[in-house]
Amino acid sequence: QVQLQESGPGLVKPSETLSLTCTVSGGSIRSYYWSWIRQPPGKGLEWIGYVYYSGTTNYNPSLKSRVTISVDTSKNQFSLTLTSVTAADTAVYYCARDAAYTNDWGQGTLVTVSS
Amino acid sequence: EIVMTESPATLSVSPGERATLSCRASQSVSSNLAWYQQKPGQAPRLLIYGASTRATGIPVRFSGSGSGTEFTLTISSLQSEDFAVYYCQQYNKWPFTFGPGTKVEIK
Repeated sequence: QVQLQESGPGLVKPSETLSLTCTVSGGSIRSYYWSWIRQPPGKGLEWIGYVYYSGTTNYNPSLKSRVTISVDTSKNQFSLTLTSVTAADTAVYYCARDAAYTNDWGQGTLVTVSS
Repeated sequence: EIVMTESPATLSVSPGERATLSCRASQSVSSNLAWYQQKPGQAPRLLIYGASTRATGIPVRFSGSGSGTEFTLTISSLQSEDFAVYYCQQYNKWPFTFGPGTKVEIK
């Protein structure tokens, strides 16, 4: 079964850029869609966007102007970049396989936006 | 975007009893509806997709029904490990959206 692991800074300053990477193991990143989903503390889930292994992307319109999701097939990784962050971007960020519904999630990483 | 609502917000149930959770979509999502279970500190776990198909390894006590805008998740006999938050999610139209969740707690 594929395993996913998020990595990146746990603290980001307001107005700066949040960058996370998801490393996929136990399977190839090729031939699947790969997603980022977030959950503010104590709140519900928000689908940020997804990328196909070929590089095709789709972003949530609420974040589209600030989000980039990319894939590196040579490293079996995909990444999330979110610019101009505010406290509202504080959340647990999950990477996941597939777009639509997903049964393969990373453990999640808490990113706090604070000065 | 499609807004998902869930009811009740909290459901108090005794072990062994039946739990019925409801999910409503602001417009038709056909059968493109999934249910997840989430426990504290864990990622969500897929229970149901296609409104009624159990995911791999999900016990038969979990069942889903509905189509269009009205959906139900039923847990036939609650076990101790079933106390958690449950989310519905539509994947009929982008952006995919989740409901706010129903917390199933011990009565």
